[in-house]
Amino acid sequence: EAQVTQNPRYLITVTGKKLTVTCSQNMNHEYMSWYRQDPGLGLRQIYYSMNVEVTDKGDVPEGYKVSRKEKRNFPLILESPSPNQTSLYFCASSPWGANHEQYFGPGTRLTVT
Amino acid sequence: AQKITQTQPGMFVQEKEAVTLDCTYDTSDQSYGLFWYKQPSSGEMIFLIYQGSYDEQNATEGRYSLNFQKARKSANLVISASQLGDSAMYFCAMRAFQGAQKLVFGQGTRLTINP
Repeated sequence: EAQVTQNPRYLITVTGKKLTVTCSQNMNHEYMSWYRQDPGLGLRQIYYSMNVEVTDKGDVPEGYKVSRKEKRNFPLILESPSPNQTSLYFCASSPWGANHEQYFGPGTRLTVT
Repeated sequence: AQKITQTQPGMFVQEKEAVTLDCTYDTSDQSYGLFWYKQPSSGEMIFLIYQGSYDEQNATEGRYSLNFQKARKSANLVISASQLGDSAMYFCAMRAFQGAQKLVFGQGTRLTINP
């Protein structure tokens, strides 16, 4: 089954404790992206990757890091989480090209206290 | 820069009625794609329909159609014969063919279908 998986699905953590949210896709997609969803703001892009070892900032990259060492995996790293990073996070992937839908993972609900 | 505007924070519709969800966009790109996604209360993002900027025909997918008016920069979603299961958050988004090819989302419209 073609899918994007994210782990964990839910996470409660404390300020400053490093965490990683994993993302994996099995569709051999070149393009992967991370979004955060906040009420009234829709989804905003954090980082994206056009292929292995090629990543770039989206609209809200502060406080986040990513890496793309393998085509299927695109982890999101919060080195020192803060309460303003409490949000719902989505990983997405697609073939390269704006005529393609992005396939979304199930989401990770993160709470930073 | 690209921008999507959804002016209806919430809509209430009777079951079996048709409903139109509004979406306007702003971009200087000539080539782009427009998308609608549905987010039920369970939280996942479900792709509904796609319209390319050079497509002359409005896109349709089952009960969903996209009313694309390029000159007005609008891409409204029409759901025919609404069902209780259509109650969800709906997001309009666009993706440019140039540059980062990110999806830019609107704020969303919460649709509630009443029995």
